[in-house]
Amino acid sequence: DAGVIQSPRHEVTEMGQEVTLRCKPISGHNSLFWYRQTMMRGLELLIYFNNNVPIDDSGMPEDRFSAKMPNASFSTLKIQPSEPRDSAVYFCASSLVGSTNTRAFFGQGTRLTVV
Amino acid sequence: SQQGEEDPQALSIQEGENATMNCSYKTSINNLQWYRQNSGRGLVHLILIRSNEREKHSGRLRVTLDTSKKSSSLLITASRAADTASYFCATDASYGGSQGNLIFGKGTKLSVKP
Repeated sequence: DAGVIQSPRHEVTEMGQEVTLRCKPISGHNSLFWYRQTMMRGLELLIYFNNNVPIDDSGMPEDRFSAKMPNASFSTLKIQPSEPRDSAVYFCASSLVGSTNTRAFFGQGTRLTVV
Repeated sequence: SQQGEEDPQALSIQEGENATMNCSYKTSINNLQWYRQNSGRGLVHLILIRSNEREKHSGRLRVTLDTSKKSSSLLITASRAADTASYFCATDASYGGSQGNLIFGKGTKLSVKP
């Protein structure tokens, strides 16, 4: 398996533009997480899907952020409109919840810079 | 919301020394996990300890868990320069039936000098 695949790896955009981050989880995993990492706040859980259904989106900062998981093999995180304070590294991770080992596998991240 | 808090925030040691990092958390858990992150990369799972376990070993890693104190420690023995990275604890919380919802601490940045 290729692991969790995120795209793009880097994104530079202007304030006000829409940004879409993509994630392909590991095949067979039933849970998907979106995290945001900054120096100031560390690694924050934004949203958590189980069987494609959002279970906990309490970490989504505001209405400008939205996430979807239309099927078991794809998820998107959208920011519209983007702001400079959204600049961070965004990680997607997947796991198999319900097994005896709920370890998460992380993608390489998308480094977002909003100017 | 933050669940795990690592201590210290940064640790600098010489190669060959042992490194100990601590993690405290707030709610009851199903398990606690430790991850490593090299600069600019994604997190990599190191070891998982279940709530009914007290100690676990994996190679040069030793993890302890004290559920009464809601704390865990990660010991890396005979450290190497290649162990330089940030280390995070993550809790799989059992509250609200949200098994699998991993919450991470802010990490300990370990620097091992050759």
